[in-house]
Amino acid sequence: GAGVSQSPSNKVTEKGKDVELRCDPISGHTALYWYRQSLGQGLEFLIYFQGNSAPDKSGLPSDRFSAERTGGSVSTLTIQRTQQEDSAVYLCASSPFGPNFEAFFGQGTRLTVV
Amino acid sequence: AQSVAQPEDQVNVAEGNPLTVKCTYSVSGNPYLFWYVQYPNRGLQFLLKYITGDNLVKGSYGFEAEFNKSQTSFHLKKPSALVSDSALYFCAVRDLIPSGGYNKLIFGAGTRLAVHP
Repeated sequence: GAGVSQSPSNKVTEKGKDVELRCDPISGHTALYWYRQSLGQGLEFLIYFQGNSAPDKSGLPSDRFSAERTGGSVSTLTIQRTQQEDSAVYLCASSPFGPNFEAFFGQGTRLTVV
Repeated sequence: AQSVAQPEDQVNVAEGNPLTVKCTYSVSGNPYLFWYVQYPNRGLQFLLKYITGDNLVKGSYGFEAEFNKSQTSFHLKKPSALVSDSALYFCAVRDLIPSGGYNKLIFGAGTRLAVHP
């Protein structure tokens, strides 16, 4: 596709349920990033993929959070046993490999845990 | 470790006046610096970047940024602000792995720019 695509755009879930968030990066981009943003606040890094491996997962808040990437393309962020503090906008970005490339962001998934 | 700081939570400027949004950085090695803008209920959009070369970098929507190595700053500027420039602005630096690899983008806390008519 032309840009980074995230689905769903909005997700409302009950506390304790599991959720899966999907990211389709720009074709050919080997680097993929997940961030989250609380209402009007800054970006909190979650995990970085290079290809299918995750050399930096230091930002995952707890073991309830996991992510995978398959075929060097689509990535899924899974949150188990969701809590109200997980409510945020989850942003995915992708870029070519290399320090000089900017990352392109999707529109995000707004997660609300009720 | 690499880091960026945006010392101002909010910047207010009158339409037509010049604007500056400040960013300072701390890196080991060469800095790779970026500016992004986020309009309400939208994702982040790339504005410009500094990799090497000319210290004055020009980007989208008439924005530019000046890289200053001695002051470790990368301030975002625009000669004449528009009301439509009102948004949240983020400065970012590329994180570097000691072994020589490259990593995520590290973002500042963001600066809210309000341009008044």
